[in-house]
Amino acid sequence: EAQVTQNPRYLITVTGKKLTVTCSQNMNHEYMSWYRQDPGLGLRQIYYSMNVEVTDKGDVPEGYKVSRKEKRNFPLILESPSPNQTSLYFCASMGQPYEQYFGPGTRLTVT
Amino acid sequence: AQSVTQLGSHVSVSEGALVLLRCNYSSSVPPYLFWYVQYPNQGLQLLLKYTSAATLVKGINGFEAEFKKSETSFHLTKPSAHMSDAAEYFCAVSEPNDYKLSFGAGTTVTVRA
Repeated sequence: EAQVTQNPRYLITVTGKKLTVTCSQNMNHEYMSWYRQDPGLGLRQIYYSMNVEVTDKGDVPEGYKVSRKEKRNFPLILESPSPNQTSLYFCASMGQPYEQYFGPGTRLTVT
Repeated sequence: AQSVTQLGSHVSVSEGALVLLRCNYSSSVPPYLFWYVQYPNQGLQLLLKYTSAATLVKGINGFEAEFKKSETSFHLTKPSAHMSDAAEYFCAVSEPNDYKLSFGAGTTVTVRA
């Protein structure tokens, strides 16, 4: 089944404790991206990747890192999480131009 | 830079009634436009997209949207609401050759029996 998977789905952590949210797609897509969803703001892009080893900032990259060492994986790294990074995170990959497939989401709470 | 405005954060309709969700955009170039649906505790699913072909676009689950350049609008409609249409709907825009999606704030639809 074609899909985008994210892990974990739910995460509660404390300020400053490094964490990684994994994202994997099995569709051989080149373009992948991360979004965060906040009430009243819709989704905003954090980082994106056009292909392996090619990443760039989106609209809200501060406090986040990404890497793209393999085509299928695009992890999101929070080196020192803060409470304002409490949010719902979505990974997406793009097949046909402009058709993005979204993962199920990761709900992160930073206390 | 592009932006999206969705009018109405909540819409309540009766089962069988028309669903109308409003979306206006601003873009410096002719945009590509999208509607996504998000069911509770799920990711976003593409309902339909406009990429400069026919201005009336039909999507899944009986939804359609019309691109009106003069009004900078891309409103989503469904003639007859079903209980299963209860969800949050997002309008999004991207510029050609830029895959980034800029989303509206979303509209939550509730369907009354």
